[in-house]
Amino acid sequence: SQLAEENLWALSVHEGESVTVNCSYKTSITALQWYRQKSGEGPAQLILIRSNEREKRNGRLRATLDTSSQSSSLSITATRCEDTAVYFCATDSNYQLIWGSGTKLIIKP
Amino acid sequence: NAGVIQTPRHKVTGKGQEATLWCEPISGHSAVFWYRQTIVQGLEFLTYFRNQAPIDDSGMPKERFSAQMPNQSHSTLKIQSTQPQDSAVYLCASSSWGVQNTLYFGAGTRLSVL
Repeated sequence: SQLAEENLWALSVHEGESVTVNCSYKTSITALQWYRQKSGEGPAQLILIRSNEREKRNGRLRATLDTSSQSSSLSITATRCEDTAVYFCATDSNYQLIWGSGTKLIIKP
Repeated sequence: NAGVIQTPRHKVTGKGQEATLWCEPISGHSAVFWYRQTIVQGLEFLTYFRNQAPIDDSGMPKERFSAQMPNQSHSTLKIQSTQPQDSAVYLCASSSWGVQNTLYFGAGTRLSVL
């Protein structure tokens, strides 16, 4: 069974708008990571948020973590065309990262 | 720092042939991971090395897949008798410690089995 999953398969917004991708998970974690994967590339980490943190920022990105509801969100403000990618959340389980199936985000000009 | 290097970027094999995929982790990273990515299954964990020692290979199909890390500068994933269902992108990642730290991924090797 999938231990981490994003809530939507795909999202589309216009450039300049803000967008939020949500993720839920099913086990206790030490950290949750958000990754972005552009076409033809491997995933690249955006934010790592530990279980004792509630919010973390990285430029235009903001991640939140709610351990009581076992959910996380990644918000992107002032989106750009280059933000078009698949966004994954991943949680740690023993020696593995358990990945969600990803949310495809399309930024329209 | 060139990042994680994977070669080749694309590999085409005939059914029943062997495929060897190479990964050069970031210098100084002690943890190396292999993942397989398909549209249907998403990202699947295959195996994990720490300080060149195999730690967890629970994701590896036992019969035809094997992974090695003979030295700290490279790891290989070998698939014997490739089958069409092995077609996927194989991703290698390295980390300074483990999954609680950032994983740095290579661009992947796209394996196509005809």
